[in-house]
Amino acid sequence: DTGVSQNPRHKITKRGQNVTFRCDPISEHNRLYWYRQTLGQGPEFLTYFQNEAQLEKSRLLSDRFSAERPKGSFSTLEIQRTEQGDSAMYLCASTPEPGPEAFFGQGTRLTVV
Amino acid sequence: QKEVEQNSGPLSVPEGAIASLNCTYSDRGSQSFFWYRQYSGKSPELIMSIYSNGDKEDGRFTAQLNKASQYVSLLIRDSQPSDSATYLCAVNQGGKLIFGQGTELSVKP
Repeated sequence: DTGVSQNPRHKITKRGQNVTFRCDPISEHNRLYWYRQTLGQGPEFLTYFQNEAQLEKSRLLSDRFSAERPKGSFSTLEIQRTEQGDSAMYLCASTPEPGPEAFFGQGTRLTVV
Repeated sequence: QKEVEQNSGPLSVPEGAIASLNCTYSDRGSQSFFWYRQYSGKSPELIMSIYSNGDKEDGRFTAQLNKASQYVSLLIRDSQPSDSATYLCAVNQGGKLIFGQGTELSVKP
């Protein structure tokens, strides 16, 4: 499978715990994006990388959220001290250069109880 | 004003009819526009991209772009029940996609 891969697919965690999600983009795609989607809403931009450089982070993103792409390949998104409001689908997408068309992974559904 | 706006619907059309989905955007500098389809519980799937004013056709789908009016639409001809999904309009702004809230389409047999 050469598509965008996200793990885990589902995560249930207790409030206050830390969680980490992984995204493996399509091979040779330089840009990698993280989005969050709640029920009835479109995906909300969180952050994106060009290779290993984090180019932009949403102003709405709490300091509890951090993302890395250490070698310009896979990326991780960590949420510290989770809150119930963090419950959502977390989507990863990747884009080849120079085309802006983004392809999404299956998403990680987070439930904070 | 939201950056990308869509009617949330639901939009209900009979099988075989034309479904028309609309989207407006606020950033006049936007150059590329996309339509994604999202089935319930699944991730968005790219179905159309458009970069120039006018129409772009791909099978039963036609995307229309009017940059002067800051308007992009998607027409689905001969709608099928399998087209029932949420359709997301996305606009590229500064290298990232900004999405509308999506329009739920229901195609009735």
